[in-house]
Amino acid sequence: DAKTTQPNSMESNEEEPVHLPCNHSTISGTDYIHWYRQLPSQGPEYVIHGLTSNVNNRMASLAIAEDRKSSTLILHRATLRDAAVYYCILRDVREGAQKLVFGQGTRLTINP
Amino acid sequence: GAVVSQHPSRVICKSGTSVKIECRSLDFQATTMFWYRQFPKKSLMLMATSNEGSKATYEQGVEKDKFLINHASLTLSTLTVTSAHPEDSSFYICSASTGGWYGYTFGSGTRLTVV
Repeated sequence: DAKTTQPNSMESNEEEPVHLPCNHSTISGTDYIHWYRQLPSQGPEYVIHGLTSNVNNRMASLAIAEDRKSSTLILHRATLRDAAVYYCILRDVREGAQKLVFGQGTRLTINP
Repeated sequence: GAVVSQHPSRVICKSGTSVKIECRSLDFQATTMFWYRQFPKKSLMLMATSNEGSKATYEQGVEKDKFLINHASLTLSTLTVTSAHPEDSSFYICSASTGGWYGYTFGSGTRLTVV
């Protein structure tokens, strides 16, 4: 399985943008980049995913490098409720309902 | 959107007893479900993959006789922790997939404390 590397922790201020990086230098052509986040004492929740093009949804934006070896999750205006652990995961869609393997993720702290 | 209900959210049991945790997909049929455990301040560790109507596939190092998984229907999977011990205390989380790109929906987790 291709692996991802994320910083252990990041800190930002409320109402400021946050850029969460993820490196995946061994990504294959059929790997989608998924982001999930886990709020304290809850199960993870889906944030966004993409293959090659940048993606936007109501929660966040995903910027994917041209060589696909890295990506950045962008929270445009962080709130206290965005404090969570963010996981960047690669998923090969050729294999159907493949298991999701979580790395260590980035613990995001938002200061008021 | 897809919803996965996990029950109970918290359970305390005595050493040596068994505990069953349920995971239900409420508005979709889940061909595959996954079970994870998570220790404090740590990441999720996949325990097993559960496919409807067949035996679960366990990850290396996970005792299948201790963590019994049953996926009897397309909307229900159960995890039974048998003869629980204090070291089994953990946060257990289930996840369900419809098999498409859509992604995975997670339950809210079950905090098991064995005393």
